[in-house]
Amino acid sequence: GENVEQHPSTLSVQEGDSAVIKCTYSDSASNYFPWYKQELGKRPQLIIDIRSNVGEKKDQRIAVTLNKTAKHFSLHITETQPEDSAVYFCAASKDSGYSTLTFGKGTMLLVSP
Amino acid sequence: EPEVTQTPSHQVTQMGQEVILRCVPISNHLYFYWYRQILGQKVEFLVSFYNNEISEKSEIFDDQFSVERPDGSNFTLKIRSTKLEDSAMYFCASGLGGRDQPQHFGDGTRLSIL
Repeated sequence: GENVEQHPSTLSVQEGDSAVIKCTYSDSASNYFPWYKQELGKRPQLIIDIRSNVGEKKDQRIAVTLNKTAKHFSLHITETQPEDSAVYFCAASKDSGYSTLTFGKGTMLLVSP
Repeated sequence: EPEVTQTPSHQVTQMGQEVILRCVPISNHLYFYWYRQILGQKVEFLVSFYNNEISEKSEIFDDQFSVERPDGSNFTLKIRSTKLEDSAMYFCASGLGGRDQPQHFGDGTRLSIL
C-alpha cells in the first residue's frame, strides 16, 4: 500500500519567515495530494491540494509543488504569521473524492512573533 | 458553508462496552469515511462507504468494527467490545467523489476507554 513520509516533525520559524514542509510517497499510482492544517483539538482542514498533472499550485501565501518523477511534494508558506501555528499533514490518494487518504505523520509548525 | 458534524464530542466508555459514534455527512455527499488519530500520531484510515456498502477498509477495521447508514443522513461507527487501544480521536469525513472533490472532515469524537 501507499506510504507517506513527512519531514520535519517540528518546525519553528520567526514571524515573516518562510516555512517548507516536505513529503514523499511510494505508490506511483497516487495522483492527488492534499494538505491539511489541524489546530489543537480541531478537525483537519484542507488548505491546498494538487493533482499529478500539475507541478505547482499557489493560493495567496501557500504554495504546493509536486515532483512526480521523484515522488515528492512540498508545502511552502511565505510571510508566516502566528496564526499559521498548527500541525500540518500531507496526504496522498489515487483520487480525490473516493479513494482513501494516506497521511504523513504531521509537522508541528510554530511561528513566533 | 456546510460541515460534517459528529456526536458526541467526547465519549468515555468502560473497556468491553459497545460504543456508537455518530456522523452527519454533508448532505449531497456520496462517499463517507472514518479515520482515527491516536494522540500525537497521524490520521489513519479505517473504512470507506459508498452506495450503502463498504468500499474499502484497513487492517485496523477488524470484526469489532462496523459501519451503518441507518437513514438518509446519519453515518455511524460501532465498536462492539472496546479495548484500551481503541482510545483515539475518530474523524468522520465525506466527499462528493470524482475529480477535484476533496474529503471534508468533522470535528471528531474523542473516545476514551477506561
